[in-house]
Amino acid sequence: KNQVEQSPQSLIILEGKNCTLQCNYTVSPFSNLRWYKQDTGRGPVSLTIMTFSENTKSNGRYTATLDADTKQSSLHITASQLSDSASYICVVSGLYNNNDMRFGAGTRLTVKP
Amino acid sequence: DVKVTQSSRYLVKRTGEKVFLECVQDMDHENMFWYRQDPGLGLRLIYFSYDVKMKEKGDIPEGYSVSREKKERFSLILESASTNQTSMYLCASGGDELNSPLHFGNGTRLTVT
Repeated sequence: KNQVEQSPQSLIILEGKNCTLQCNYTVSPFSNLRWYKQDTGRGPVSLTIMTFSENTKSNGRYTATLDADTKQSSLHITASQLSDSASYICVVSGLYNNNDMRFGAGTRLTVKP
Repeated sequence: DVKVTQSSRYLVKRTGEKVFLECVQDMDHENMFWYRQDPGLGLRLIYFSYDVKMKEKGDIPEGYSVSREKKERFSLILESASTNQTSMYLCASGGDELNSPLHFGNGTRLTVT
């Protein structure tokens, strides 16, 4: 079983709408949780990084939240744009080895006009 | 901006061929990584290197080897390509400091026939 589970697998929304992507993890203890955006045909690009002591982190229209007690994170996208169409990947790093990263399978978001 | 360059975007090879995937980064990162990405699965670590000539196996090293003769270059080698190695291969560098992100190349889509 993957230690990082993301939902939904895919999502279609209309331009201008908001959406929330979920990430549940079992990695413990962990040092940080990252959200990456991967455009089609490109490598993933970091959106946010949160340590275990942070609850929320924003990057423009992207806001990530973290609940270390329930081992859940969410990525909220506000006022979606066509360019938000991409896969969003949740990555959790173990506490004792920053290079021990566990990747979720990603959520494929499609924003339609 | 950090640049991670993978030498080929697409490769088609025959079963049994020896395949070299090259990756170069320009940010003097200590760490470099090779992942494969398959639909429905999170990125899986094949090998990583934390210094020149140093390497460590990841989760799925079987059938692969790596070479890091220079700090900026990390090569993935498929000694004898098989059809189950058809995949997207992503190189990354970074994560040298706690909470620092990885920077990915745009991937090489390898098809083994």
